[in-house]
Amino acid sequence: GQNIDQPTEMTATEGAIVQINCTYQTSGFNGLFWYQQHAGEAPTFLSYNVLDGLEEKGRFSSFLSRSKGYSYLLLKELQMKDSASYLCAVIGTGGFKTIFGAGTRLFVKA
Amino acid sequence: KAGVTQTPRYLIKTRGQQVTLSCSPISGHRSVSWYQQTPGQGLQFLFEYFSETQRNKGNFPGRFSGRQFSNSRSEMNVSTLELGDSALYLCASTPEGAYGYTFGSGTRLTVV
Repeated sequence: GQNIDQPTEMTATEGAIVQINCTYQTSGFNGLFWYQQHAGEAPTFLSYNVLDGLEEKGRFSSFLSRSKGYSYLLLKELQMKDSASYLCAVIGTGGFKTIFGAGTRLFVKA
Repeated sequence: KAGVTQTPRYLIKTRGQQVTLSCSPISGHRSVSWYQQTPGQGLQFLFEYFSETQRNKGNFPGRFSGRQFSNSRSEMNVSTLELGDSALYLCASTPEGAYGYTFGSGTRLTVV
């Protein structure tokens, strides 16, 4: 079957670093996405990894290990506005269907 | 450049009724995907359309259907509504040859 696992909730302090993990088992692999979703809003694209390694974009970085079926999203210099749900998503075989994890709710406290 | 537009934003329906939701993708995007989002299940894939053809379908009952028009606008229909169909329905479009969604703001459907 296809499965994507990520922690349900995490709490971190403003200014700190937090790592959100994602493990996946899917039929085929054509890339992994991270999306951010604030409460009551639509998900917005954060990052895309298709090759192993680290992709850095400002305060956000995403890592992928295809052999381990593992990714993480790293958020640095946390801000209160980073409080949101973070969704890990994988494109499987055929590239037409993206499977989402249930999301990780991140709470940033002062 | 206009984003993905979904209408209506909110909808309240009674059990047994049917509902039609609309999605206009970003201009030039021919792929439109639909997802159901609930607090317990996260985003569940409904279907994906490209050039008026359904390319992929999720594991939802036949009460859920969709279509895409020649201008890439898409509709999804849910017949014989059940309480469990209450959810946020998200539409997303993708440019041809690329990955990554741009989501609309969603339609929040409440079935009473």
